Amino acid sequence: AQSVAQPEDQVNVAEGNPLTVKCTYSVSGNPYLFWYVQYPNRGLQFLLKYITGDNLVKGSYGFEAEFNKSQTSFHLKKPSALVSDSALYFCAVRPYRDDKIIFGKGTRLHILP
Amino acid sequence: EAQVTQNPRYLITVTGKKLTVTCSQNMNHEYMSWYRQDPGLGLRQIYYSMNVEVTDKGDVPEGYKVSRKEKRNFPLILESPSPNQTSLYFCASSSRLAGATDTQYFGPGTRLTVL
Repeated sequence: AQSVAQPEDQVNVAEGNPLTVKCTYSVSGNPYLFWYVQYPNRGLQFLLKYITGDNLVKGSYGFEAEFNKSQTSFHLKKPSALVSDSALYFCAVRPYRDDKIIFGKGTRLHILP
Repeated sequence: EAQVTQNPRYLITVTGKKLTVTCSQNMNHEYMSWYRQDPGLGLRQIYYSMNVEVTDKGDVPEGYKVSRKEKRNFPLILESPSPNQTSLYFCASSSRLAGATDTQYFGPGTRLTVL
């Protein structure tokens, strides 16, 4: 079965430190990969995506993600965390030649002042 | 302003009373989708639509219906709601044209409680 895993329910990082939110996937073919963020009482907002090309993609608010085909991972990173980055982060996959979208369960990111 | 709107934002109802949650987008997107968000389960796709009159099941379609009579609207229908459909629902849309970003734009969400 096709799936997306976000192995950490919660990640705590001190402000100013680098952060990583992990995502691995299990789908056939070459998928489209996305990260979305959800702030409290809000809908989801797009952060970044990988379709093809350079494995390192840059997105909104200073976030970036690295596509690793051999490890089937798409981890979200930021060099220096801000308190305002505290939110719920979702990894999503659109399998190749499929119209469905599969989301991970989400990772709650806490940035500690 | 490009946006996806949902109505109502909050709804409390009783078991078995039919309800409809509306979704509308003003970006001329082909693809529209409904998700439910539950604690510990993330977002799960209920139904999606590739274009007018084209709909398909997502991962959790049981107990739901949809229709796509117009490109901008994609209502979610619960004909006989049950308490296990208590959830936060999101509508989303994206462009699937060649070269499009395939980025989904989400509505603000509808919090549904079924008693």
